[in-house]
Amino acid sequence: AQSVTQPDIHITVSEGASLELRCNYSYGATPYLFWYVQSPGQGLQLLLKYFSGDTLVQGIKGFEAEFKRSQSSFNLRKPSVHWSDAAEYFCAVGGRYGGATNKLIFGTGTLLAVQP
Amino acid sequence: DGGITQSPKYLFRKEGQNVTLSCEQNLNHDAMYWYRQDPGQGLRLIYYSQIVNDFQKGDIAEGYSVSREKKESFPLTVTSAQKNPTAFYLCASSIAGHGHDQPQHFGDGTRLSIL
Repeated sequence: AQSVTQPDIHITVSEGASLELRCNYSYGATPYLFWYVQSPGQGLQLLLKYFSGDTLVQGIKGFEAEFKRSQSSFNLRKPSVHWSDAAEYFCAVGGRYGGATNKLIFGTGTLLAVQP
Repeated sequence: DGGITQSPKYLFRKEGQNVTLSCEQNLNHDAMYWYRQDPGQGLRLIYYSQIVNDFQKGDIAEGYSVSREKKESFPLTVTSAQKNPTAFYLCASSIAGHGHDQPQHFGDGTRLSIL
């Protein structure tokens, strides 16, 4: 069965420091992988997605993620964090569910706090 | 601008009462979804619909019902059978297809609380 694990429930970084949020997935075939960000009381916004090809994908807001098949990982990175990046981040894998549909399986999220 | 509108933003339910959450999209998407979000549990799929007049149960459908009479609209009813309805509810839509590579677009959510 497909699953997504985000090992870090909560992370605190200083503004200007680099960031890496971890995501591990379990999926039998080539996965379709996504990172979403959620600000408090808001919906989810797509940061980036991986389908195939180059394993390093660029997203919005200066984020990037690297797909590593050997490690079943899709970690999210940003070289320099801004205070506005404080939010909750969700990794998701696209999976098949009872036929042809676009079910997303979400991790439990990582809450990012940014210190001044 | 195209997007997904959920209303109301906050909703209160009395014991034994059914309440309906609205979700409207103008993205011309065929597929729509309802998720429930609880702290520390991520998002769990309640119902989804790939096309008008058709919908399927997700992982936690008990105590919920939906309809899909129009492409743009996918309302969710939280029935009195749902014993723990307090949560943040998110509606999403996507281009339907036979793959699972289509990103979903989300509304801003409805927070439901019990009085």
